[in-house]
Amino acid sequence: AQSVAQPEDQVNVAEGNPLTVKCTYSVSGNPYLFWYVQYPNRGLQFLLKYITGDNLVKGSYGFEAEFNKSQTSFHLKKPSALVSDSALYFCAVRDPRGTGRRALTFGSGTRLQVQP
Amino acid sequence: EAGVAQSPRYKIIEKRQSVAFWCNPISGHATLYWYQQILGQGPKLLIQFQNNGVVDDSQLPKDRFSAERLKGVDSTLKIQPAKLEDSAVYLCASSRGLAGGEAGHEQFFGPGTRLTVL
Repeated sequence: AQSVAQPEDQVNVAEGNPLTVKCTYSVSGNPYLFWYVQYPNRGLQFLLKYITGDNLVKGSYGFEAEFNKSQTSFHLKKPSALVSDSALYFCAVRDPRGTGRRALTFGSGTRLQVQP
Repeated sequence: EAGVAQSPRYKIIEKRQSVAFWCNPISGHATLYWYQQILGQGPKLLIQFQNNGVVDDSQLPKDRFSAERLKGVDSTLKIQPAKLEDSAVYLCASSRGLAGGEAGHEQFFGPGTRLTVL
């Protein structure tokens, strides 16, 4: 069975500083990895994904994530945080093997708070 | 491109009552998902449709939950009777494609329906 762990319930960072939101995964095969962001009273918005290729993936709003197979991690990063980045962030994994089943397994989420 | 639409946005019911949620996916998206998101947790899949067929409903509490996707477009999710622990946000998502690289396609989520069971 596949699983995702987000070890931090909340991350606090000052505006302008770099931010990192951690994610580790467990899946039998090569994983497909995703990051989503959720703003209050809104659905999840796709940020970026890793399928194959370059371990550093760039996404929306200046976010990037680094896939590390040996550490089974997919941490989300941004060089300079904005107050507007404050939201709930979810890491998700999908095992690409098999046919049909395409559902994502999500972590429990990390609340990012960027202070002005 | 219009996003995933869901209604209602909010619903409050008494336990043992029934409730239904509606979802209209992005046009042309073959795959539709219903997720349940309990406060403080990540979304959990309830059911996945591909066109109008069920692909995965292994985590759907079938004694009280049901879902359908007639004609392979809109979908409804029903709870009957509701329990207190069903209080959650119900998210609908869709993705395009059927075969091959579809596993890598991202899912697009609707705004969700917040259900409160009293």
